[in-house]
Amino acid sequence: GDSVTQMEGPVTLSEEAFLTINCTYTATGYPSLFWYVQYPGEGLQLLLKATKADDKGSNKGFEATYRKETTSFHLEKGSVQVSDSAVYFCALGYNQGGKLIFGQGTELSVKP
Amino acid sequence: KAGVTQTPRYLIKTRGQQVTLSCSPISGHRSVSWYQQTPGQGLQFLFEYFSETQRNKGNFPGRFSGRQFSNSRSEMNVSTLELGDSALYLCASGLAGGVDTQYFGPGTRLTVL
Repeated sequence: GDSVTQMEGPVTLSEEAFLTINCTYTATGYPSLFWYVQYPGEGLQLLLKATKADDKGSNKGFEATYRKETTSFHLEKGSVQVSDSAVYFCALGYNQGGKLIFGQGTELSVKP
Repeated sequence: KAGVTQTPRYLIKTRGQQVTLSCSPISGHRSVSWYQQTPGQGLQFLFEYFSETQRNKGNFPGRFSGRQFSNSRSEMNVSTLELGDSALYLCASGLAGGVDTQYFGPGTRLTVL
């Protein structure tokens, strides 16, 4: 079946450091890939998405490229801020059925 | 436009009781999906409703059920609560049921004692 694996956290970085959170997936079809972010006490917010191979999703300085050859969708940001501290979830889904399969989440803590 | 609303935000129940959670999607959205979030199992898909019909179901026991009303509002019910049902229950709404347009609510925190 389909699954998503993320690097384990927590990840602790200093402000302005470069961020990479690894995400790999196993899929039986051709899913869309997503990164969601969850701030403390809140629900999930869609950060970015990519719907097909080689697409790059980007938002708020975050980027991720859909790599079919390596089945990966790594999240990157060139310079993190304290306000980026949150839990990040990688997910895959298909357009029919409204079902998302999530990775286990990676907690990011950014120190000033 | 108002976001996804979930009520109540917090709930405490005891084992054996049943509970009903409510989700009001974004106006115009016809799809509602439910997820359970726990520290051990992470985020797991429960079910999805589209135009009052359950279209997809996750791997949960029959104690977990749901429904959707003609105004797209959705409820999920858990009967005979167990300690392991303690979780954050999230719902997400979408326009046409595609994952590209899912927007999540803040969740209902259920504690089973």
